[in-house]
Amino acid sequence: QSVLTQPPSVSAAPGQKVTSSCSGSSSNIGKNYVSWYQQLPGTAPKLLIYDNNKRPSGIPDRFSGSKSGTSATLGITGLQTGDEADYYCVTWDSSLRAVLFGGGTKLTVL
Amino acid sequence: EVQLLESGGGLVQPGGSLRLSCVASGFTFSNYVMSWVRQAPGKGLEWVSAISETDGSTYYADSVKGRFTMSRDNSKSTLYLQMNSLRAEDTALYYCAKCGNRVTNFDYWGQGTLVTVSS
Repeated sequence: QSVLTQPPSVSAAPGQKVTSSCSGSSSNIGKNYVSWYQQLPGTAPKLLIYDNNKRPSGIPDRFSGSKSGTSATLGITGLQTGDEADYYCVTWDSSLRAVLFGGGTKLTVL
Repeated sequence: EVQLLESGGGLVQPGGSLRLSCVASGFTFSNYVMSWVRQAPGKGLEWVSAISETDGSTYYADSVKGRFTMSRDNSKSTLYLQMNSLRAEDTALYYCAKCGNRVTNFDYWGQGTLVTVSS
């Protein structure tokens, strides 16, 4: 069971917007930056969002990130079938002195 | 172009050892923190370990602490993961990842090398 809690699945129709949450605590999300990764089936993960809300070069602005207190949220607008993937949140835990991954959320575009 | 090429995976018996390697190219290896991340079959991602750029400071997940040792050879742009006392639950695809401005920002990943622990 992950220290960072993500919903197992989310779904929405093409063109719609979806959000996915990542819940932690004061020792991890509460005091450290959050990043988000997309893992398409059968491929290596890809960095989507870093430092809570920044997008690497090449990541479309349909993807966004935010953080409030001990929770973070990934948002995806204009959903496409190609967005179907597993999404993971990641942060540092200052007490454990370790990198934490959330359990992952599977996005289905209906 | 940044490339990370893992090798060394395979089938090993419980209690056995294996050493993974990751050869990096396309960036100045010695300037970046590097990590190993694994993924058991059908499961989520799990961070394994990280190593600092130059002084070799290492960090480990509790699940591998005392059994795995991460190291690097900056002269060869190569990362290593020595895995001892392997258990069935260590079976996974092991990814090498380059860290960006933070240890949690894995901006480049390899394709992974599969480790199977089974008798």
